[in-house]
Amino acid sequence: EAQVTQNPRYLITVTGKKLTVTCSQNMNHEYMSWYRQDPGLGLRQIYYSMNVEVTDKGDVPEGYKVSRKEKRNFPLILESPSPNQTSLYFCASSFVGENYGYTFGSGTRLTVV
Amino acid sequence: RKEVEQDPGPFNVPEGATVAFNCTYSNSASQSFFWYRQDCRKEPKLLMSVYSSGNEDGRFTAQLNRASQYISLLIRDSKLSDSATYLCVVIKAAGNKLTFGGGTRVLVKP
Repeated sequence: EAQVTQNPRYLITVTGKKLTVTCSQNMNHEYMSWYRQDPGLGLRQIYYSMNVEVTDKGDVPEGYKVSRKEKRNFPLILESPSPNQTSLYFCASSFVGENYGYTFGSGTRLTVV
Repeated sequence: RKEVEQDPGPFNVPEGATVAFNCTYSNSASQSFFWYRQDCRKEPKLLMSVYSSGNEDGRFTAQLNRASQYISLLIRDSKLSDSATYLCVVIKAAGNKLTFGGGTRVLVKP
Protein backbone atom coordinates (compact mmCIF):
# COMPACT_ATOMS: atom_id res chain seq x y z
CA GLU A 1 0.00 0.00 0.00
CA ALA A 2 1.33 3.41 -0.99
CA GLN A 3 1.77 5.44 2.15
CA VAL A 4 3.71 7.89 4.26
CA THR A 5 4.57 6.49 7.67
CA GLN A 6 5.33 8.69 10.64
CA ASN A 7 6.48 7.61 14.06
CA PRO A 8 5.65 8.05 16.81
CA ARG A 9 1.96 8.97 16.63
CA TYR A 10 2.02 10.52 20.09
CA LEU A 11 4.94 11.84 22.12
CA ILE A 12 5.21 13.66 25.42
CA THR A 13 8.67 14.92 26.26
CA VAL A 14 10.42 17.42 28.50
CA THR A 15 12.01 20.70 27.52
CA GLY A 16 15.51 20.28 26.14
CA LYS A 17 15.45 16.54 25.51
CA LYS A 18 16.43 15.87 21.91
CA LEU A 19 13.94 13.93 19.85
CA THR A 20 13.48 12.67 16.31
CA VAL A 21 10.24 12.09 14.46
CA THR A 22 10.69 9.67 11.60
CA CYS A 23 8.99 9.81 8.21
CA SER A 24 9.21 7.24 5.47
CA GLN A 25 7.44 6.94 2.11
CA ASN A 26 7.26 4.00 -0.29
CA MET A 27 6.12 5.83 -3.44
CA ASN A 28 9.55 6.86 -4.76
CA HIS A 29 8.59 10.52 -4.31
CA GLU A 30 11.36 13.05 -4.76
CA TYR A 31 9.69 15.77 -2.70
CA MET A 32 9.15 15.52 1.04
CA SER A 33 8.06 18.12 3.52
CA TRP A 34 7.23 18.69 7.17
CA TYR A 35 4.30 20.78 8.37
CA ARG A 36 3.01 21.74 11.78
CA GLN A 37 -0.62 22.48 12.45
CA ASP A 38 -1.77 24.75 15.24
CA PRO A 39 -5.25 26.05 16.07
CA GLY A 40 -5.92 29.34 14.31
CA LEU A 41 -2.65 29.16 12.36
CA GLY A 42 -3.39 26.31 9.98
CA LEU A 43 -0.69 24.21 8.35
CA ARG A 44 2.73 25.82 8.17
CA GLN A 45 5.73 24.38 6.37
CA ILE A 46 8.82 23.71 8.49
CA TYR A 47 11.33 22.22 6.03
CA TYR A 48 11.21 20.56 2.67
CA SER A 49 13.43 18.48 0.43
CA MET A 50 13.37 18.30 -3.35
CA ASN A 51 15.59 15.21 -3.44
CA VAL A 52 18.34 13.34 -1.63
CA GLU A 53 20.81 15.66 0.12
CA VAL A 54 18.73 18.72 -0.89
CA THR A 55 16.84 20.42 1.94
CA ASP A 56 15.54 23.93 2.45
CA LYS A 57 13.73 26.02 5.03
CA GLY A 58 10.02 26.51 4.96
CA ASP A 59 8.11 29.21 6.77
CA VAL A 60 8.82 28.19 10.37
CA PRO A 61 12.20 26.38 10.49
CA GLU A 62 13.50 27.75 13.80
CA GLY A 63 14.21 25.02 16.33
CA TYR A 64 14.09 22.19 13.80
CA LYS A 65 16.56 20.24 11.69
CA VAL A 66 16.05 17.71 8.92
CA SER A 67 18.16 15.39 6.83
CA ARG A 68 17.59 13.53 3.56
CA LYS A 69 20.23 10.84 3.25
CA GLU A 70 17.91 8.42 1.48
CA LYS A 71 15.06 9.11 -0.87
CA ARG A 72 12.45 7.38 1.26
CA ASN A 73 13.29 8.92 4.66
CA PHE A 74 13.00 12.47 5.94
CA PRO A 75 13.37 12.68 9.74
CA LEU A 76 12.52 15.79 11.72
CA ILE A 77 14.91 16.56 14.57
CA LEU A 78 14.23 18.80 17.54
CA GLU A 79 17.63 19.33 19.19
CA SER A 80 16.25 21.14 22.23
CA PRO A 81 12.45 21.06 22.25
CA SER A 82 10.54 23.89 23.88
CA PRO A 83 6.87 24.14 24.89
CA ASN A 84 6.10 26.35 21.86
CA GLN A 85 6.88 23.34 19.69
CA THR A 86 3.89 21.51 21.11
CA SER A 87 1.88 20.86 17.98
CA LEU A 88 0.50 18.35 15.49
CA TYR A 89 3.15 17.48 12.92
CA PHE A 90 2.59 16.07 9.45
CA CYS A 91 5.06 14.66 6.98
CA ALA A 92 4.07 14.72 3.32
CA SER A 93 5.53 13.61 0.02
CA SER A 94 4.87 13.98 -3.69
CA PHE A 95 6.46 13.80 -7.09
CA VAL A 96 8.16 17.01 -8.18
CA GLY A 97 5.91 19.29 -10.20
CA GLU A 98 3.10 21.70 -9.45
CA ASN A 99 0.37 19.36 -10.59
CA TYR A 100 0.92 16.78 -7.91
CA GLY A 101 -0.88 16.86 -4.61
CA TYR A 102 0.72 15.63 -1.42
CA THR A 103 0.27 12.36 0.41
CA PHE A 104 0.33 12.97 4.14
CA GLY A 105 1.40 10.79 7.01
CA SER A 106 -1.02 10.17 9.87
CA GLY A 107 0.51 12.85 12.05
CA THR A 108 2.53 13.07 15.24
CA ARG A 109 1.03 14.82 18.22
CA LEU A 110 3.93 16.25 20.23
CA THR A 111 3.63 17.74 23.69
CA VAL A 112 6.65 19.43 25.25
CA VAL A 113 6.33 20.09 28.98
CA ARG B 1 -3.27 39.73 4.13
CA LYS B 2 -2.90 35.95 4.14
CA GLU B 3 -1.84 34.27 0.91
CA VAL B 4 -4.81 31.92 0.98
CA GLU B 5 -7.98 32.82 2.85
CA GLN B 6 -11.08 30.84 3.68
CA ASP B 7 -14.22 31.44 5.69
CA PRO B 8 -13.65 29.24 8.76
CA GLY B 9 -17.37 28.47 9.13
CA PRO B 10 -18.88 26.32 10.42
CA PHE B 11 -21.35 25.86 7.62
CA ASN B 12 -24.27 23.98 9.12
CA VAL B 13 -25.88 22.02 6.32
CA PRO B 14 -29.03 19.88 6.41
CA GLU B 15 -28.47 16.40 5.06
CA GLY B 16 -29.30 16.34 1.34
CA ALA B 17 -28.75 20.06 0.84
CA THR B 18 -26.15 21.79 -1.30
CA VAL B 19 -23.33 23.82 0.19
CA ALA B 20 -20.72 25.95 -1.53
CA PHE B 21 -17.81 27.95 -0.27
CA ASN B 22 -14.90 29.87 -1.69
CA CYS B 23 -11.22 30.38 -1.15
CA THR B 24 -9.32 33.48 -2.24
CA TYR B 25 -5.63 33.64 -3.03
CA SER B 26 -3.44 36.71 -3.24
CA ASN B 27 -0.66 35.65 -5.60
CA SER B 28 -1.71 35.97 -9.22
CA ALA B 29 1.23 33.73 -10.22
CA SER B 30 -0.37 30.77 -8.44
CA GLN B 31 -0.38 27.83 -10.77
CA SER B 32 -2.14 24.86 -9.26
CA PHE B 33 -5.05 24.49 -6.93
CA PHE B 34 -6.43 21.69 -4.82
CA TRP B 35 -9.10 20.94 -2.28
CA TYR B 36 -8.13 18.73 0.65
CA ARG B 37 -10.40 17.26 3.26
CA GLN B 38 -9.33 16.94 6.88
CA ASP B 39 -11.22 15.07 9.56
CA CYS B 40 -10.67 16.02 13.18
CA ARG B 41 -7.08 15.35 14.29
CA LYS B 42 -6.34 13.34 11.15
CA GLU B 43 -4.16 13.95 8.14
CA PRO B 44 -5.38 16.03 5.20
CA LYS B 45 -6.42 13.94 2.23
CA LEU B 46 -6.56 15.09 -1.36
CA LEU B 47 -10.18 15.58 -2.40
CA MET B 48 -9.68 16.94 -5.89
CA SER B 49 -7.54 19.10 -8.09
CA VAL B 50 -9.08 22.25 -9.50
CA TYR B 51 -8.73 22.78 -13.23
CA SER B 52 -9.16 26.00 -15.16
CA SER B 53 -12.26 24.72 -16.90
CA GLY B 54 -13.80 23.52 -13.67
CA ASN B 55 -14.23 19.88 -12.80
CA GLU B 56 -16.63 17.54 -11.14
CA ASP B 57 -16.11 14.38 -9.12
CA GLY B 58 -19.39 12.79 -8.14
CA ARG B 59 -21.20 15.19 -5.83
CA PHE B 60 -18.28 17.60 -5.70
CA THR B 61 -17.68 20.42 -8.15
CA ALA B 62 -14.65 22.68 -8.12
CA GLN B 63 -14.30 25.95 -10.01
CA LEU B 64 -11.42 28.34 -10.59
CA ASN B 65 -11.84 32.04 -11.26
CA ARG B 66 -8.43 33.44 -12.14
CA ALA B 67 -9.68 36.97 -12.81
CA SER B 68 -11.05 37.30 -9.29
CA GLN B 69 -8.45 34.96 -7.78
CA TYR B 70 -10.67 32.49 -6.06
CA ILE B 71 -11.59 28.83 -6.20
CA SER B 72 -14.81 27.29 -5.04
CA LEU B 73 -16.10 23.93 -3.89
CA LEU B 74 -19.72 22.86 -4.16
CA ILE B 75 -21.08 19.76 -2.48
CA ARG B 76 -24.44 18.46 -3.67
CA ASP B 77 -26.74 16.09 -1.80
CA SER B 78 -24.69 16.45 1.38
CA LYS B 79 -24.08 13.32 3.44
CA LEU B 80 -23.37 13.11 7.15
CA SER B 81 -19.96 11.76 6.19
CA ASP B 82 -19.15 15.02 4.38
CA SER B 83 -18.72 16.70 7.77
CA ALA B 84 -15.08 17.76 7.82
CA THR B 85 -12.78 20.71 7.35
CA TYR B 86 -12.07 21.54 3.73
CA LEU B 87 -8.66 23.01 3.04
CA CYS B 88 -7.91 25.13 0.01
CA VAL B 89 -4.39 24.61 -1.28
CA VAL B 90 -2.41 26.69 -3.75
CA ILE B 91 0.92 26.07 -5.46
CA LYS B 92 2.92 28.93 -6.93
CA ALA B 93 4.42 28.67 -10.37
CA ALA B 94 7.79 27.33 -9.26
CA GLY B 95 8.40 24.37 -7.04
CA ASN B 96 6.16 22.13 -5.03
CA LYS B 97 5.38 24.27 -2.02
CA LEU B 98 1.75 24.02 -1.05
CA THR B 99 0.24 26.98 0.76
CA PHE B 100 -2.80 26.06 2.80
CA GLY B 101 -5.82 28.09 3.68
CA GLY B 102 -7.07 27.92 7.24
CA GLY B 103 -9.92 25.61 6.27
CA THR B 104 -13.70 25.78 6.12
CA ARG B 105 -15.55 23.60 8.55
CA VAL B 106 -18.69 21.90 7.26
CA LEU B 107 -21.18 20.19 9.58
CA VAL B 108 -23.89 18.12 7.92
CA LYS B 109 -26.82 17.45 10.23
CA PRO B 110 -29.74 15.03 9.94
